[in-house]
Amino acid sequence: SQQGEEDPQALSIQEGENATMNCSYKTSINNLQWYRQNSGRGLVHLILIRSNEREKHSGRLRVTLDTSKKSSSLLITASRAADTASYFCATAGRGGGNKLTFGTGTQLKVEL
Amino acid sequence: DTAVSQTPKYLVTQMGNDKSIKCEQNLGHDTMYWYKQDSKKFLKIMFSYNNKELIINETVPNRFSPKSPDKAHLNLHINSLELGDSAVYFCASSQQDRGSEAFFGQGTRLTVV
Repeated sequence: SQQGEEDPQALSIQEGENATMNCSYKTSINNLQWYRQNSGRGLVHLILIRSNEREKHSGRLRVTLDTSKKSSSLLITASRAADTASYFCATAGRGGGNKLTFGTGTQLKVEL
Repeated sequence: DTAVSQTPKYLVTQMGNDKSIKCEQNLGHDTMYWYKQDSKKFLKIMFSYNNKELIINETVPNRFSPKSPDKAHLNLHINSLELGDSAVYFCASSQQDRGSEAFFGQGTRLTVV
């Protein structure tokens, strides 16, 4: 069964606003990652947060992880039109193989 | 200097045909993957190879056969294509001992008619 659920499924905001996406998962994890996918392109890794971390920043991105609630959030501050894309969370389990289990994705549209 | 490259980018073929998708990575990673993304954008792992050895094989029909001639290449061969195989297939790679940040190829859009 699918590991991660993301909400919202779609988000439309104005340029300059902040965008927050949430991800929930079901089993224990080694780490959680966020990826971006532009239309018709491959996935690009954004940020990785380990299970013993609670918050991580990278540029305009801020990720939080709450392992007790099995949830994570991705905040994009001061959004730009170029941030328009689909965003996926992915969990890496404690088992072998580095298997990533992806969430359902959030489609973000940033309007001028 | 593409890190993970897969070919072809688009593949249109008839039901019943056999086709292959090739993937190469120049990152020196020891692990490669195939993922399938369906029309609802849901991504699911199909296979994973570590140093040319199969380590993950999700419940994929045996019409799908991965082949890893060396750790920089992971090809996907599909026999007797069916309409339901239409999807975007992504190759990815990672280095196992650095956690599992993955680098993805641009995808192969397979359309079975």
